[in-house]
Amino acid sequence: AAGVIQSPRHLIKEKRETATLKCYPIPRHDTVYWYQQGPGQDPQFLISFYEKMQSDKGSIPDRFSAQQFSDYHSELNMSSLELGDSALYFCASSARLAGDYEQYFGPGTRLTVT
Amino acid sequence: GDSVTQMEGPVTLSEEAFLTINCTYTATGYPSLFWYVQYPGEGLQLLLKATKADDKGSNKGFEATYRKETTSFHLEKGSVQVSDSAVYFCALIIRSNDYKLSFGAGTTVTVRA
Repeated sequence: AAGVIQSPRHLIKEKRETATLKCYPIPRHDTVYWYQQGPGQDPQFLISFYEKMQSDKGSIPDRFSAQQFSDYHSELNMSSLELGDSALYFCASSARLAGDYEQYFGPGTRLTVT
Repeated sequence: GDSVTQMEGPVTLSEEAFLTINCTYTATGYPSLFWYVQYPGEGLQLLLKATKADDKGSNKGFEATYRKETTSFHLEKGSVQVSDSAVYFCALIIRSNDYKLSFGAGTTVTVRA
C-alpha cells in the first residue's frame, strides 16, 4: 500500500539559510499534519491543512510557513535557520472527509543546521 | 489543555519479561487514544489504538485498554523480545482540537537477550 512520502530524507543547512521540506500524502487523503521532533523529545505539532486550507496552527515559528497544493502535497518552508531548528520533521496524512482520523506518518526529514 | 502523561524511562528488561508502560490523559472532550512506536533511526509507526471507553487495542502481542474512569491507556506485553526495543509514545486526538496528536514524552524500552 502507498505510504506518506517525505523528501528529502536528510538535509544539512547552515545558519540563516532556508530549507523546504516536502510531503506527499497517501492518495485520497485530504489532511496533512506537520510535526517537529527534537533530539530525545516527543513530536510537537506545527501546522495542519485540510482540503488545501490551513486547519490549525501549533508552536510554529514565524520563520516557518507551509501550504498544501492542489494535488494535496504540502511543503514546509523554513527561513533564517537556527541551530535549534535541527530536528526530525514528520508529515502525517489522514482521510478526514471519509471519517478516518488516524494519522499515517511518513519516514521523516532529518534537518541538521550547522 | 489536552495532555498525556507517560511513565518515564528508560526501561530495561530481559527477554520474555512482562512490560507495562503507564499512560494517563487529560482531555476536555472524548479522545481517541494511540500508542506509537519508534524504532532506532526510524519514523513513527502506529502500534495500536482505541476510540472509545472500554475498547481494547491490540497488535503484535501488545495490548492497551481505554479506561475512562481512570483516564488511562496503559500498554502491556506479556513476553518481550529484543526486537521490541524502541521508544513508545502514548498519544491522543480530540475532534474539538482539530484532531492533532498530542504525545506523551516517550518511554525508551531496551530488551536484553
